[in-house]
Amino acid sequence: GDSVTQMEGPVTLSEEAFLTINCTYTATGYPSLFWYVQYPGEGLQLLLKATKADDKGSNKGFEATYRKETTSFHLEKGSVQVSDSAVYFCAAGGTSYGKLTFGQGTILTVHP
Amino acid sequence: SAVISQKPSRDICQRGTSLTIQCQVDSQVTMMFWYRQQPGQSLTLIATANQGSEATYESGFVIDKFPISRPNLTFSTLTVSNMSPEDSSIYLCSVGGKASGSTDTQYFGPGTRLTVL
Repeated sequence: GDSVTQMEGPVTLSEEAFLTINCTYTATGYPSLFWYVQYPGEGLQLLLKATKADDKGSNKGFEATYRKETTSFHLEKGSVQVSDSAVYFCAAGGTSYGKLTFGQGTILTVHP
Repeated sequence: SAVISQKPSRDICQRGTSLTIQCQVDSQVTMMFWYRQQPGQSLTLIATANQGSEATYESGFVIDKFPISRPNLTFSTLTVSNMSPEDSSIYLCSVGGKASGSTDTQYFGPGTRLTVL
């Protein structure tokens, strides 16, 4: 079945540092890829997505590019803020109303 | 995107009892899903709630433990039956399909935080 692997956390950064959270997937066919964010005490919010190879998803300064050749969808942000502190989930799937497979989540803490 | 609400937002229950969680969407959606997020863990799909037919359960989840209803295109319930402390988790519903804004994106409710004593 499908699987998603994220870099282990937690990740701790200072404000304005560069962020990368690695995500790789294994799937049959070409799934859509997603990043979701979960702020403390809240549900999941869609951060960005990409539906085909070489697509770049972007939102709130975050970016991720669908790399078919490396089966990756790494999340990046050039300058993180304290308000970005949250848990980030990479997910694959969603084709034809299908289910999502989630990575294990990466806890990000940003210090002032 | 659809607006999704869940009730209750949290609850503390005694071992052996059951809790029904409601998920309401502000527009008709094709697909509704129920997930479990155990403490400090990722999300695991419990089942797909099908309108007008039985839910489709994932491996490791059974109808007797997690009965699901889907009476129409905007509402679903998940019951956690005969609870034990191992059922303490966040339970989330999600929706997908045309009315959610995109045919391949799922949007999540705020979750129900369940603690079983």
